[in-house]
Amino acid sequence: EVQLVESGGGLVKPGGSLRLSCAASGFTFSSYSMNWVRQAPGKGLEWVSSISSSSSYIYYADSVKGRFTISRDNAKNSLYLQMNSLRAEDTAVYYCARGGLAPGSFDYWGQGTLVTVSS
Amino acid sequence: SSELTQDPAVSVALGQTVRITCQGDSLRSYYASWYQQKPGQAPVLVIYGKNNRPSGIPDRFSGSSSGNTASLTITGAQAEDEADYYCNSRDSSGNLVVFGGGTKLTVL
Repeated sequence: EVQLVESGGGLVKPGGSLRLSCAASGFTFSSYSMNWVRQAPGKGLEWVSSISSSSSYIYYADSVKGRFTISRDNAKNSLYLQMNSLRAEDTAVYYCARGGLAPGSFDYWGQGTLVTVSS
Repeated sequence: SSELTQDPAVSVALGQTVRITCQGDSLRSYYASWYQQKPGQAPVLVIYGKNNRPSGIPDRFSGSSSGNTASLTITGAQAEDEADYYCNSRDSSGNLVVFGGGTKLTVL
């Protein structure tokens, strides 16, 4: 059974940093691209970042470029999101999602971790 | 990047057919994927590619595409289909990903 479990969320002050983790199991992690998607309270889904299976290709949404860094450790079956210079508008539930068969599709999602940026 | 546009809300009578649409320039090059999200839960992929359903998704869900518009059709809507539905695809550059704003489906 595919499982994605996010951790690392919490309350952080504006300008602060946080590192999210996503532990994957139930599939060959090193064969799949991985993604972070966020959802602000009461709002829609927003793609944040993608990383290819071997970390060769990395992409970011304009809203986080230069502040967030996606990475993965295939030996540990883990995905990460380092978030720096956090702003109030980064407050959201952050989901880890596996890349699917179709371009841009996400076939499995974690339950999410809440990041709150507030003073 | 490009944008995907969805109607904010749609309603359907129990057992009837409903179509949820998604418009955007990137859909001329890429198929949309569709996700169902119920309150307090993570999104679930229901349609991907030309018209593919992941394992476990009922066959009343189907997808189609024409020009810059993708559609998710639910044939014989059930009470449990009441949820938010989101479309997404690669953007026109092919590197980034975009989501539609979501459609809240109410089953009457």
